[in-house]
Amino acid sequence: DVKVTQSSRYLVKRTGEKVFLECVQDMDHENMFWYRQDPGLGLRLIYFSYDVKMKEKGDIPEGYSVSREKKERFSLILESASTNQTSMYLCASLGPPDTQYFGPGTRLTVL
Amino acid sequence: QKEVEQNSGPLSVPEGAIASLNCTYSDRGSQSFFWYRQYSGKSPELIMFIYSNGDKEDGRFTAQLNKASQYVSLLIRDSQPSDSATYLCAVNTEGYSTLTFGKGTMLLVSP
Repeated sequence: DVKVTQSSRYLVKRTGEKVFLECVQDMDHENMFWYRQDPGLGLRLIYFSYDVKMKEKGDIPEGYSVSREKKERFSLILESASTNQTSMYLCASLGPPDTQYFGPGTRLTVL
Repeated sequence: QKEVEQNSGPLSVPEGAIASLNCTYSDRGSQSFFWYRQYSGKSPELIMFIYSNGDKEDGRFTAQLNKASQYVSLLIRDSQPSDSATYLCAVNTEGYSTLTFGKGTMLLVSP
């Protein structure tokens, strides 16, 4: 079974804080993704990674950065959290057959 | 700009009926098509994928693809209240691992 885990289900942070969201997959997948999901806007791709230390910007990278030091772990970083980054954050990894499998999500609230 | 369009719904059907969910996409280069189900507060889970024109059946679910008309649909036979969820259509283009998601159609199945 494909397993993608995320470090927290719920997170509350204050404006200006640095926030780390972590995602781990145990299937040795090369490609991993970070999305945010907001009502009325759907799923939007923030960043993705196709290999260790490799990253590509998605549709909405502003205000975010990522880190992939090990194949199984893909971290999303909010350098200085703002209220408009309150959202559901979803991590996914790409398994066969070219299918994205999602983690449980982290609901982040920035006060 | 790649776009995937879905009717937001809600689509209401009685228990036991056939639910028909539709999706259109703008990129003629799209090669792979996916349907995800998302329960409220949960992450998307893959239901089906389809690559070739025609129908693909899996239990109560049938995916239909028409590349000439650029639409893909999902039929759910014998709908159950447990099928009540938001259904997301996603497409990708050959050679790329990223997906473009529609905003989803909410399905409500009444007992």
